[in-house]
Order: sequence, then structure tokens, then C-alpha cells
Amino acid sequence: KQEVTQIPAALSVPEGENLVLNCSFTDSAIYNLQWFRQDPGKGLTSLLLIQSSQREQTSGRLNASLDKSSGRSTLYIAASQPGDSATYLCAKTSGSRLTFGEGTQLTVNP
Amino acid sequence: DTAVSQTPKYLVTQMGNDKSIKCEQNLGHDTMYWYKQDSKKFLKIMFSYNNKELIINETVPNRFSPKSPDKAHLNLHINSLELGDSAVYFCASSQDWAGRDTQYFGPGTRLTVL
Repeated sequence: KQEVTQIPAALSVPEGENLVLNCSFTDSAIYNLQWFRQDPGKGLTSLLLIQSSQREQTSGRLNASLDKSSGRSTLYIAASQPGDSATYLCAKTSGSRLTFGEGTQLTVNP
Repeated sequence: DTAVSQTPKYLVTQMGNDKSIKCEQNLGHDTMYWYKQDSKKFLKIMFSYNNKELIINETVPNRFSPKSPDKAHLNLHINSLELGDSAVYFCASSQDWAGRDTQYFGPGTRLTVL
């Protein structure tokens, strides 16, 4: 079974819309949960890191939540912009090991 | 300044050849990683080194051999390349091995085996 699952696999929204990306993971014994952004042909950029003792983290228009008991995390993007178009990956950390989901490909249409 | 750099960016080679990918980080981090992203965009860890010592070795064929000459460098050597090795390989680094902080990724090396 996939350890980290992301839904939806792809999402297309009009500019200005608020949206939520979902991540679920097995094994609640995680150290932290991270959200990354990957642009085509580029590496990964860390967006938010939530320690296992935290419930959420915010950075600008981004807010990530973590519910260890249910094995879920969400990434909320407010007032989406075309520049937000990218693939968003969540990853759980157990020790030094990052386990990634398959990502959600987001397209924000002008 | 580039934090994590990889060379080359693209690598096209014939099956059976041996090739190396180099990675350098100038962040002063103790831990470095190699990840493989396959054609389905799934990203999976291959190796992790902390202070030049191997700490994670996932189920990777022994044709893949990482080498860390110092804390700032982690190179990946691949022997007898196979078609299935075609992927994007990412190097990353973090402050320590315990997973308390984020990992910083390089731009990736796209390997194509013909």
C-alpha cells in the first residue's frame, strides 16, 4: 500500500479561487510533514514544514494543517494565481527518510 | 549562489555504459541524499549520507554506488546502465539526519538510457 497518497492527482481552477490539496499517510509515527512545490524541469522547493507536535503552519497565502491521528494533511492556497501552477508534493518524515506522495498537478487559469 | 548543484543537467548514454552524476552543496549541511523520480513522477529515496557515512540505503541495485569525498559532495556512480535507469535523479541536503528540518533539492539530472 502506498504510504503517502495525494488527492486529487490533478486540479484545474480559475484564478482567484481558494483551493485545498489533500494528503493522507499511513503510520502516525511521523517526525514531521512537509509540502513541496515542483515546477516542470526543476527541483523541489520546500513550502511548509509541520512538526509532529504542531497542527498547522502558515506562509503567506499558504496554510498547511496536520492531523496525525487521522493521518491527514491539507494544503490550503488562498486567492490562487497563475504563478501557483506547479506540482505539489507532500512528504512524511520518519527519521531521515522522506516518503513522498505522487503529487497533485495544479493549473491556475488566468 | 546555488545552494545544491548537480552536474550534468542532462545525460544521454547507451545501455551498458558507466556514468557518474556529481552533487555539491554550499549550505554547510551534514546530510546529503539521492532520490530517483521515475516516469510517473514518483520520487523515492535511494541513499543518504551523514558526515560522509552511509545511513540510508534503500533497495537499490548494487550497480549504483554513492561516494562522499567530503560533507559537501555526494556523487552517484552507475555501472552497466539499463533502460530502467532512465529517470530524473535529484540530490538534496539537510542540516542533520534526524529529519528535524527541511531538505534542499538540486535541480535534477535527467538520465536517458538508450
